[in-house]
Amino acid sequence: AQSVTQLDSHVSVSEGTPVLLRCNYSSSYSPSLFWYVQHPNKGLQLLLKYTSAATLVKGINGFEAEFKKSETSFHLTKPSAHMSDAAEYFCVVRTSGTYKYIFGTGTRLKVLA
Amino acid sequence: SAVISQKPSRDICQRGTSLTIQCQVDSQVTMMFWYRQQPGQSLTLIATANQGSEATYESGFVIDKFPISRPNLTFSTLTVSNMSPEDSSIYLCSVDVGLAGRYNEQFFGPGTRLTVL
Repeated sequence: AQSVTQLDSHVSVSEGTPVLLRCNYSSSYSPSLFWYVQHPNKGLQLLLKYTSAATLVKGINGFEAEFKKSETSFHLTKPSAHMSDAAEYFCVVRTSGTYKYIFGTGTRLKVLA
Repeated sequence: SAVISQKPSRDICQRGTSLTIQCQVDSQVTMMFWYRQQPGQSLTLIATANQGSEATYESGFVIDKFPISRPNLTFSTLTVSNMSPEDSSIYLCSVDVGLAGRYNEQFFGPGTRLTVL
């Protein structure tokens, strides 16, 4: 079965330092992968998506992710954290065949002043 | 893209009652999904609802508890039946849309915040 695993439930960084949120996927096929962000009491916002074009995907608000097939990873990065980045981040896979979207357990990012 | 509305946006219900949540999309879509997001948790897929067929439920979810209707390509309902406090969650509908470049993307409704007393 296709799935994603978010390796960290909580990540804390200082403002201005790099962000790394880790996601590994499990898929027999070339997956479609997504990162979403959810700010407190807000809806889901798509940050970026991988759909087998470029392996380095650039998203909104300075975020990017690199698809690494050899490592089955799709980690989310940002060079410099901002206070407004504090939120919950979800890695999502769109399954082949059934075309369902399966969410990871989420990573809560805390940005320290 | 797709714009999705949900009704109600929130409700407070008594245990043992049922609530029907409506999901309206501004364009015709084949695949719709219903998710539950319990407090502080990720999204859990309840079922996939395709027009013209029975909904497909994920492990741990059953039709008697979460009956779903999908009468046409722009509308769906989810009923939470015989509610208990454990059903207190945000319920979201979403759709799968094919975009230019032959890739698909998911769009979400704003969610229905349900509190069961």
